[in-house]
Amino acid sequence: DVKVTQSSRYLVKRTGEKVFLECVQDMDHENMFWYRQDPGLGLRLIYFSYDVKMKEKGDIPEGYSVSREKKERFSLILESASTNQTSMYLCAIQGTLNTEAFFGQGTRLTVV
Amino acid sequence: QQQVKQSPQSLIVQKGGISIINCAYENTAFDYFPWYQQFPGKGPALLIAIRPDVSEKKEGRFTISFNKSAKQFSLHIMDSQPGDSATYFCAASLEGGYNKLIFGAGTRLAVHP
Repeated sequence: DVKVTQSSRYLVKRTGEKVFLECVQDMDHENMFWYRQDPGLGLRLIYFSYDVKMKEKGDIPEGYSVSREKKERFSLILESASTNQTSMYLCAIQGTLNTEAFFGQGTRLTVV
Repeated sequence: QQQVKQSPQSLIVQKGGISIINCAYENTAFDYFPWYQQFPGKGPALLIAIRPDVSEKKEGRFTISFNKSAKQFSLHIMDSQPGDSATYFCAASLEGGYNKLIFGAGTRLAVHP
């Protein structure tokens, strides 16, 4: 069974706080992704990484950064949380040759 | 820029009926078209996928129909059941683009008994 584990199911943070969302996989997959999910907008790609220490911007990277120091761990960082970053955040993994993406259970972040 | 457009946004179907969700894409270089199913409180999970060299793929009650010339593909759920109630996302990806998936906006399906 593929495991993609996100560190928190629910988070409440204050405006201006620095927020870390963690994602850990047990599949040794090269590609890792961070999406945010909002009603009516689907899943939008924030950042992805195809190797350790490598990162690429997705469609909505503004206000976010990422870190991948180890192959199994991909972190999403909100440098200074704002209320418009209140959303569901989903981590996903994919192998290089395998097109199926496996998702974590999501982190619902509320910024107050 | 929305590269994958999905409709309808929500759908109500009676038990035993057919659910149909449609998607259209813009980039003719896309070569992989999956559908993901998401239940409340869970992450999306792959339901069924198709490549553009075939026009239809069926897995149990779920069928993808693919029209390359129209740049459209659809999901048909036959004999819809209350357990199919979920949010469905179509997606597309480009080989060589790190397999990153471009998702549609999602369809919330409710199957009433």
